[in-house]
Amino acid sequence: SQTIHQWPATLVQPVGSPLSLECTVEGTSNPNLYWYRQAAGRGLQLLFYSIGIDQISSEVPQNLSASRPQDRQFILSSKKLLLSDSGFYLCAWSAGGMSDTQYFGPGTRLTVL
Amino acid sequence: QKEVEQDPGPLSVPEGAIVSLNCTYSNSAFQYFMWYRQYSRKGPELLMYTYSSGNKEDGRFTAQVDKSSKYISLFIRDSQPSDSATYLCASQAGGSQGNLIFGKGTKLSVKP
Repeated sequence: SQTIHQWPATLVQPVGSPLSLECTVEGTSNPNLYWYRQAAGRGLQLLFYSIGIDQISSEVPQNLSASRPQDRQFILSSKKLLLSDSGFYLCAWSAGGMSDTQYFGPGTRLTVL
Repeated sequence: QKEVEQDPGPLSVPEGAIVSLNCTYSNSAFQYFMWYRQYSRKGPELLMYTYSSGNKEDGRFTAQVDKSSKYISLFIRDSQPSDSATYLCASQAGGSQGNLIFGKGTKLSVKP
């Protein structure tokens, strides 16, 4: 069966510091991968999605970036965090096809102080 | 206009009640409909998946899609305190990667 991991689970970072969140998927090959941010009262905001290595689409202009160095690894980064980057970051995967049913990881709660 | 609208609640019901959670959507091209359950501080988990119009039942849960009125429903029978969570509906047109559109979620509390 497929499993999706995210780490760290929680993170507290000062404004202006860098960020690296990691997501890995097990038990499947060539998944579509997604990064979402969930803020209170704002629902799920799609940040990036990737249909393959080095194929990444950005949905929201911001100071975040994503990379996919391996087939089942997806990384969310920032060079300098802003207060507004605080939130719950979720990684998801899907098998693609006509229905893009997505399966979510446990999430990373980021607090920027 | 948001593509998927969902009443955020909160919704509070007594244990054993029938719960009705609803969403509306605006895009006629949507064909795939999902319900996710999200416990506090956890990632969403897929609860129900339906294609096009109709009903789908899984235990105490029934998902219903009415494409003519663009209305999506999730019914929970004999609700339990363990059903207390936020429920998110999601919709998608076929073959559109990265285009699963979520509602904002309805927070449900089932009181013992």
